[in-house]
Amino acid sequence: DVKVTQSSRYLVKRTGEKVFLECVQDMDHENMFWYRQDPGLGLRLIYFSYDVKMKEKGDIPEGYSVSREKKERFSLILESASTNQTSMYLCASSLEGHSEFFGPGTRLTVL
Amino acid sequence: GQNIDQPTEMTATEGAIVQINCTYQTSGFNGLFWYQQHAGEAPTFLSYNVLDGLEEKGRFSSFLSRSKGYSYLLLKELQMKDSASYLCAVRVAPRRGYNKLIFGAGTRLAVHP
Repeated sequence: DVKVTQSSRYLVKRTGEKVFLECVQDMDHENMFWYRQDPGLGLRLIYFSYDVKMKEKGDIPEGYSVSREKKERFSLILESASTNQTSMYLCASSLEGHSEFFGPGTRLTVL
Repeated sequence: GQNIDQPTEMTATEGAIVQINCTYQTSGFNGLFWYQQHAGEAPTFLSYNVLDGLEEKGRFSSFLSRSKGYSYLLLKELQMKDSASYLCAVRVAPRRGYNKLIFGAGTRLAVHP
């Protein structure tokens, strides 16, 4: 059974903290994605990666960075968290040309 | 620019049929996806259309007209468990060799007894 896991379901951080969100997939997918989901705005792509050590900016990369050192793991980093980064963060993975499989999400609150 | 529109909310009765529409204007088109998302859970894949016409999968069907930039998701014999958000997404290729999805804001469907 396909599986995408995320390190935390809920996270509370303070403004200015560095935040790491981890995502792991066990399907040997080459593509991995980070989205944020906000009411009325839908899912918006932050960054994606199509291979180890490769990354591409999505539609809203500002304030975020990513790391993909191993094929199965894709990390999202908030260098200095701000209140407007309070959101639901969803990780996904896919084989090229196929549908994306999503993780359960991390609800991040920045105080 | 990229724009995907779908209704914000819909209600329907258990056992009935409901159609959720999606219109899109995107730079390029490599297929259209529908996902279901229950509250507090991850989106799960429902259907995929890349050619015009109807794709049927049990109680769920999805239609695509590329010339009109239009798709719909049809849910038959509605059940209470179908209460969820339904996300329309278009796959585009920002550069040769790889694709990404552009999502609509989602349609929240409430099924009543």
